[in-house]
Amino acid sequence: ILNVEQSPQSLHVQEGDSTNFTCSFPSSNFYALHWYRWETAKSPEALFVMTLNGDEKKKGRISATLNTKEGYSYLYIKGSQPEDSATYLCAFKGSQGNLIFGKGTKLSVKP
Amino acid sequence: DTEVTQTPKHLVMGMTNKKSLKCEQHMGHRAMYWYKQKAKKPPELMFVYSYEKLSINESVPSRFSPECPNSSLLNLHLHALQPEDSALYLCASSQVSLAGAGAKNIQYFGAGTRLSVL
Repeated sequence: ILNVEQSPQSLHVQEGDSTNFTCSFPSSNFYALHWYRWETAKSPEALFVMTLNGDEKKKGRISATLNTKEGYSYLYIKGSQPEDSATYLCAFKGSQGNLIFGKGTKLSVKP
Repeated sequence: DTEVTQTPKHLVMGMTNKKSLKCEQHMGHRAMYWYKQKAKKPPELMFVYSYEKLSINESVPSRFSPECPNSSLLNLHLHALQPEDSALYLCASSQVSLAGAGAKNIQYFGAGTRLSVL
């Protein structure tokens, strides 16, 4: 059984704080790691697709890194804003082809 | 248009009812997916359609019956469900199914149908 773990489960920060969370996944048969941002009552929205060890991706104040050898990815948010409040999901794609999702990290940013 | 539209948003049904969930995309994607998400759990894949043919059924009970009438539409027919089937049902689409690791395989999700079985 393939396991994708995300930590922490939830996070409460103040506006302006920088924060980061972790996604752990199997280090063998790696194809890609997806990050999604999911606001309540909306659709999950793709942030990044990462495929190469050492990959770093950036979108505005959000960035992500990838270590496929040890099986983890970090998502960083610089200067959190209330509109960043959402659940951040990662999903591992291995040779089996399907996306295996983690449970997500729920971020709340207080103004 | 990067939208995947799911209807209805909410559905309450009895165990003897027959109902259908609908999903629509107009991005020209050839792969469509049904996921089920229970509270505090990750989304779990149920079915994958590739070029309008069922390519993956993740051992889903037959009371869930998917249908892909054309490349833009995906239905999930529900019959004789159990209360434990209450969940959020998410539809997604991607340019290609499973093949490749890059941008072509980004899945675009709908907002889901919240299903309650009484």
